Amino acid sequence: DAKTTQPPSMDCAEGRAANLPCNHSTISGNEYVYWYRQIHSQGPQYIIHGLKNNETNEMASLIITEDRKSSTLILPHATLRDTAVYYCIVSVYGNKLVFGAGTILRVKS
Amino acid sequence: DAGVIQSPRHEVTEMGQEVTLRCKPISGHDYLFWYRQTMMRGLELLIYFNNNVPIDDSGMPEDRFSAKMPNASFSTLKIQPSEPRDSAVYFCASSLGRAGGNTIYFGEGSWLTVV
Repeated sequence: DAKTTQPPSMDCAEGRAANLPCNHSTISGNEYVYWYRQIHSQGPQYIIHGLKNNETNEMASLIITEDRKSSTLILPHATLRDTAVYYCIVSVYGNKLVFGAGTILRVKS
Repeated sequence: DAGVIQSPRHEVTEMGQEVTLRCKPISGHDYLFWYRQTMMRGLELLIYFNNNVPIDDSGMPEDRFSAKMPNASFSTLKIQPSEPRDSAVYFCASSLGRAGGNTIYFGEGSWLTVV
């Protein structure tokens, strides 16, 4: 599976959009981009995934660049409860997930 | 749905003792995963099953670790004998295999401390 690069930490004001970037320059054509998050002391939680089109669900939006070498997770209106570690992972089937260090997102009031 | 259920939630044991962690996946899911999380190494995949058959156990650290899935609704991860370096949070997770990518659902974890 291709590796990903994420900033170690980001801050966001409550109520504002949180934009979390991820680089995956070696992604293969059949690899999906997955986002999970882990709130302190809890198990990781699935957020969203996509192949090449932009995706949106009730939690977030995923924007994938046309060359698929990078993506952005968007939390449209961040709340304090969105403070967590966010993991960007690329995987063919979404089974053998390899978690990196992720991005610590701190939402501040 | 109750989600992935793990037990025990917390366990403290002495070095050399056998530890058994248990997992009940979400009903209908055909994949089951065991992950371990430590501060030093982050989240690591230990092993995963498909339809109760182990598919990839390359992440199992050594022979002291073993995992079984006797049926679709139950799995165990055993450590025998346990060592202090096994102290970690162990997550069980499950998913339903389907085209378009799988969504993995994690349990709340079993917090293991070996003293």
